[in-house]
Amino acid sequence: GESVGLHLPTLSVQEGDNSIINCAYSNSASDYFIWYKQESGKGPQFIIDIRSNMDKRQGQRVTVLLNKTVKHLSLQIAATQPGDSAVYFCAFLGGKLIFGQGTELSVKP
Amino acid sequence: GAGVSQSPRYKVAKRGQDVALRCDPISGHVSLFWYQQALGQGPEFLTYFQNEAQLDKSGLPSDRFFAERPEGSVSTLKIQRTQQEDSAVYLCASSSRTDSYEQYFGPGTRLTVT
Repeated sequence: GESVGLHLPTLSVQEGDNSIINCAYSNSASDYFIWYKQESGKGPQFIIDIRSNMDKRQGQRVTVLLNKTVKHLSLQIAATQPGDSAVYFCAFLGGKLIFGQGTELSVKP
Repeated sequence: GAGVSQSPRYKVAKRGQDVALRCDPISGHVSLFWYQQALGQGPEFLTYFQNEAQLDKSGLPSDRFFAERPEGSVSTLKIQRTQQEDSAVYLCASSSRTDSYEQYFGPGTRLTVT
């Protein structure tokens, strides 16, 4: 079936370091991938998206990389800040939005 | 402007009770989605409305779950005869689009069934 999974459930980084959060997917038909950030007690917040005809997209301090050959998606956060501490979900759009399990990012000051 | 709001934010129900969860979408948004999020998991799709029409209810886990959006704005998710496995955060999202893109999420209602 369709699924989106994450390699690491938790990630702890030092403030100022770069963070990389990974995600694997199994549905080859997906054409749109999204990263969400979810802080405690809040709903998911859109960070960045990428279409399947792209392999890289950059935003403000964030970069998403898509490797369709190995069905792998990653989110890179530059100069991680304490405010980046949250759970990050990858998701793909295949008619409906399908989320992965999530990675908890903890930023140490 | 105002985002998606949900009420109550927290609900404790005894097993067997009925509950009703409310979602106020962003004004003018035609699409409304409900998700269930178990602890430590990603949100899972429950149902989708386009205006007042429920176009997809394939994610509702049982016939104890019922959702409505009678006037195409506010939506209510009702769970009858709650069971412990219904304990989760219920998220609502809305979009100005008629597909699943650009969804804005509310803060969720945390339901605990004791």
